[in-house]
Amino acid sequence: AQSVTQPDIHITVSEGASLELRCNYSYGATPYLFWYVQSPGQGLQLLLKYFSGDTLVQGIKGFEAEFKRSQSSFNLRKPSVHWSDAAEYFCAVGLTGTASKLTFGTGTRLQVTL
Amino acid sequence: GAVVSQHPSRVICKSGTSVKIECRSLDFQATTMFWYRQFPKKSLMLMATSNEGSKATYEQGVEKDKFLINHASLTLSTLTVTSAHPEDSSFYICSARDQGPREQYFGPGTRLTVT
Repeated sequence: AQSVTQPDIHITVSEGASLELRCNYSYGATPYLFWYVQSPGQGLQLLLKYFSGDTLVQGIKGFEAEFKRSQSSFNLRKPSVHWSDAAEYFCAVGLTGTASKLTFGTGTRLQVTL
Repeated sequence: GAVVSQHPSRVICKSGTSVKIECRSLDFQATTMFWYRQFPKKSLMLMATSNEGSKATYEQGVEKDKFLINHASLTLSTLTVTSAHPEDSSFYICSARDQGPREQYFGPGTRLTVT
C-alpha cells in the first residue's frame, strides 16, 4: 500500500529565513503529489501539485516543490518565510486510476518566530 | 476557483442523537466527493468516497451504518453520524472532485462535539 512520510512533526524558523519541509512517499509508480496547508480550525488549501513534466513545481504564496524520483521525495521549499506562513502542512499522494483517493502524511507544524 | 462549502461549521449534539453534515460544491459539478476525519493534531483519514447516484465506498474500519453518506446530486453530499457518541467527536472535512482536474477541493470542515 502507498504511504507518505513527513519526518518533521514540528519546525520553527525565523521570519525571513528559508524553509524546507520534507516529504517521502512509497508507491510502485509515479503518483500524483500534492502539498496542502491548513490553518487552525480550517480546511485545506492546495499549495501546489505535481502530475508530470517539469519536476520543479511552483505554487501559491511563493512556495515551490521538487519531485525527485530517485529519492521518492517531494520536498516543499520557500526562500523567505513570512509570519503568516505559520500553519500545518500536509503532503499527499494521489494514486492514478483510483478517482483521486489521497493518502496524507502526518503533517508538519510550522512555527515562525519574529 | 472551485469552492466547496460545509454546513454547519460547528455542531454540538447529545450522545445518542444523529447529526447531518452537508458538503456542497458551489461552482462546479462534483462527480466524486470524499469524506475525511481528522483527530486533533493528526492527519486526515479518508472515511469514504461517494459518487453521485451510487452507494458510497467506505474505507476499511469505517462503520457504514454509523456514518451514512448520501450523494444525491452533483453538488451535494451529506454525512450523517447516527447515534453519536463522544468518541465520534472530531473534525470532519469533505472534498469534491469534478471530471477535469485530478485534484480535490476541500471544504472548511465541521467540528463535531458529542456531549
